[in-house]
Amino acid sequence: DQQVKQNSPSLSVQEGRISILNCDYTNSMFDYFLWYKKYPAEGPTFLISISSIKDKNEDGRFTVFLNKSAKHLSLHIVPSQPGDSAVYFCAASALGSNYKLTFGKGTLLTVNP
Amino acid sequence: GAGVSQSPSNKVTEKGKDVELRCDPISGHTALYWYRQSLGQGLEFLIYFQGNSAPDKSGLPSDRFSAERTGGSVSTLTIQRTQQEDSAVYLCASSSGGRTNEKLFFGSGTQLSVL
Repeated sequence: DQQVKQNSPSLSVQEGRISILNCDYTNSMFDYFLWYKKYPAEGPTFLISISSIKDKNEDGRFTVFLNKSAKHLSLHIVPSQPGDSAVYFCAASALGSNYKLTFGKGTLLTVNP
Repeated sequence: GAGVSQSPSNKVTEKGKDVELRCDPISGHTALYWYRQSLGQGLEFLIYFQGNSAPDKSGLPSDRFSAERTGGSVSTLTIQRTQQEDSAVYLCASSSGGRTNEKLFFGSGTQLSVL
């Protein structure tokens, strides 16, 4: 069973517009959520995270929103740039085993110039 | 180098052979993780080492998989009697260790292909 779901395998946006990547989870024990970005032939790199005690975290062009009641989080990138084109993974960890991340399948974002 | 180093970057093997994958974590990082990503799937947790504590092996898919970490630094993931379903990218990560919700630094992975 997939505890972290990214239902959109791909997303294409125009440069300068907003990119919204979505993620749903089923495990109510998850209390920390992260987004990783992955370029081809490279390992994932940490992008942004959010604790379950918050509903929003912002870092420059990147904002993560958490809706605990809906078990949903989203990553907003504004404005999108061609260099943002990558696979974005949503991940979550549970209290008591915070080192063990559960990842979604990823969403391939393409930002067109 | 400053990052997590994995070798080999690519490994092609025949079904039934044993393989060893190596990971050099960032210097000073006490926590080390192995994940794998099968085609079309997310990253799957395999094993976690933290300092001298007993590793969490709960993610290893079968007893053909084992890992060790010598001297608290380099780690080797061994897959015995490889099967075609073992084909995946095996990713190693490290973190400074000892704190809640630490940032993981990943290597570029080893692409394993079992023919």
